[in-house]
Amino acid sequence: QQPVQSPQAVILREGEDAVINCSSSKALYSVHWYRQKHGEAPVFLMILLKGGEQKGHEKISASFNEKKQQSSLYLTASQLSYSGTYFCGTELSNNDMRFGAGTRLTVKP
Amino acid sequence: NAGVMQNPRHLVRRRGQEARLRCSPVKGHSHVYWYRQLPEEGLKFMVYLQKENIIDESGMPKERFSAEFPKEGPSILRIQQVVRGDSAAYFCASSPLPRAPGANVLTFGAGSRLTVL
Repeated sequence: QQPVQSPQAVILREGEDAVINCSSSKALYSVHWYRQKHGEAPVFLMILLKGGEQKGHEKISASFNEKKQQSSLYLTASQLSYSGTYFCGTELSNNDMRFGAGTRLTVKP
Repeated sequence: NAGVMQNPRHLVRRRGQEARLRCSPVKGHSHVYWYRQLPEEGLKFMVYLQKENIIDESGMPKERFSAEFPKEGPSILRIQQVVRGDSAAYFCASSPLPRAPGANVLTFGAGSRLTVL
């Protein structure tokens, strides 16, 4: 029931792009994306509910495929502030929440 | 509008002692989740509670660990007879009653970091 994330870690230079993937063997109700900076609480980024949905917030966007088994988070023209660990989460039928193992993103000057 | 409040932020215990971690959810939130995070690892689900009710505790070890969310007061995660392997950050999150399936957004607390000597 726990989604699978890839890659485990990414190192970028400022201005470069990155894609983080999240997949499940079964169709999901929804997919949630959170970012956690070192030593801090995870912070909600966005939620996708419908198959084929795409959402964006500034230069961070996400998609949810038609079968609702795969989501990707796109970070465009990365900034230093994007560094952190990104988690995808999935909600189960009883409103329970499970998270992937996380993708550690490091943006260097 | 206070967020999720966790205390203590840091707790040091010797092996065999008890650890009690408290979580006050966002005002009006009726669901509480506890997750454990080891250094450089992901958020591992432990337990999901509503007021006075445990919904899912499948992620919690059967022995030594317990959780409650009483009608009044904070949610408590209790670890009895702690061992060194219990050292981790414990995060609490809360959410309101979901408006639609899949739309359950969690607000996380800053975490409680337990160190067992």
